[in-house]
Amino acid sequence: EDQVTQSPEALRLQEGESSSLNCSYTVSGLRGLFWYRQDPGKGPEFLFTLYSAGEEKEKERLKATLTKKESFLHITAPKPEDSATYLCAVQASSVGGGSNYKLTFGKGTLLTVNP
Amino acid sequence: DAGVIQSPRHEVTEMGQEVTLRCKPISGHNSLFWYRQTMMRGLELLIYFNNNVPIDDSGMPEDRFSAKMPNASFSTLKIQPSEPRDSAVYFCASSLARGAFFGQGTRLTVV
Repeated sequence: EDQVTQSPEALRLQEGESSSLNCSYTVSGLRGLFWYRQDPGKGPEFLFTLYSAGEEKEKERLKATLTKKESFLHITAPKPEDSATYLCAVQASSVGGGSNYKLTFGKGTLLTVNP
Repeated sequence: DAGVIQSPRHEVTEMGQEVTLRCKPISGHNSLFWYRQTMMRGLELLIYFNNNVPIDDSGMPEDRFSAKMPNASFSTLKIQPSEPRDSAVYFCASSLARGAFFGQGTRLTVV
């Protein structure tokens, strides 16, 4: 069974204080690892897709990296508007050539950036 | 594109009543997911359709829950009868290849 564990559960930063969020996973063949941002009362918003170990993606103050067992979301000089819940999800390669490409999510990290 | 559209946005119902949640996926997407989100359990996959066919319904809690996708542009999730423990935010998401795009969700409260 695919599993995703995110840490920490909550993180409070001062504006400009860089940090990283962790996503550890176990999956039977990784088709893709995804990072989402979720604001209160809204659906998850897609941020990044990573496909293989060593890959990196960047968007503004966010940078996602991937190894064979975990992914990190690095936040450089965060601003209050970066406050949100960040979700990690994995999509496994389907066993036996089928088409089951379900996404398994972690419980998320609630990030608060204080001005 | 308007994105994934869900209705209603909020639903309050009494225990024992039937509830139907609706979803219009992004045009051209061939996969559709129904998720439930609670504080305790996070995002849980209920059911996944590919090309309108249910592929994985192992997350459907029990027989009170059912989902249909009669065509590529519409899906429903029905709960009958509803119970207070079904209170949660229900999300629909659609995908063409990898990952998924989410709707804004339906907040269901069963009293």
